[in-house]
Amino acid sequence: DSGVTQTPKHLITATGQRVTLRCSPRSGDLSVYWYQQSLDQGLQFLIQYYNGEERAKGNILERFSAQQFPDLHSELNLSSLELGDSALYFCASSGSQGGTDTQYFGPGTRLTVL
Amino acid sequence: QQQVKQSPQSLIVQKGGISIINCAYENTAFDYFPWYQQFPGKGPALLIAIRPDVSEKKEGRFTISFNKSAKQFSLHIMDSQPGDSATYFCAAPQGNTDKLIFGTGTRLQVFP
Repeated sequence: DSGVTQTPKHLITATGQRVTLRCSPRSGDLSVYWYQQSLDQGLQFLIQYYNGEERAKGNILERFSAQQFPDLHSELNLSSLELGDSALYFCASSGSQGGTDTQYFGPGTRLTVL
Repeated sequence: QQQVKQSPQSLIVQKGGISIINCAYENTAFDYFPWYQQFPGKGPALLIAIRPDVSEKKEGRFTISFNKSAKQFSLHIMDSQPGDSATYFCAAPQGNTDKLIFGTGTRLQVFP
């Protein structure tokens, strides 16, 4: 158990809809990262927050947005969903803002868009 | 966007054999190269990482070998066991940032 929690575990929705994925980092960790893992794909970095502020951005679509709240939990919002958005979404946390710090991954949210 | 090229995509090894996975990266200003292990239905977990003031790091049966001039690093799993069956991801910092870019993964299957 990494100490990172993600909810929900599974999410099934329809095209055009909007969903919110939630992540609670390990106790004391200030950085939260979001990744997308599609079938047969690697881990695609989406975005990083550090202590409430956006720190780094990857290939995150404009339809996707994220935020980190004062209690350090984070939410990833996916809107106008398309079939191609079906994937595993992982959240990871680390103690510092540096990307070379060990990242601890949560169990993921499996999103299925029908 | 810079990439980390990982090979092979899949690997089948007999129990007791050596598993070798290779990664090649592009220019990076940060020397930090981790390997993550992911079991089905789980999130990736850090397996071993190297910060290349050394060319090799060993932890139990797992060894990272690093070749800075060639911009390559590899994971060796000695005495591979069925419990090592998982997907392995390498990662490297991108450019002059410390943002990690992950390889596409190698699915390792170890048969008894």
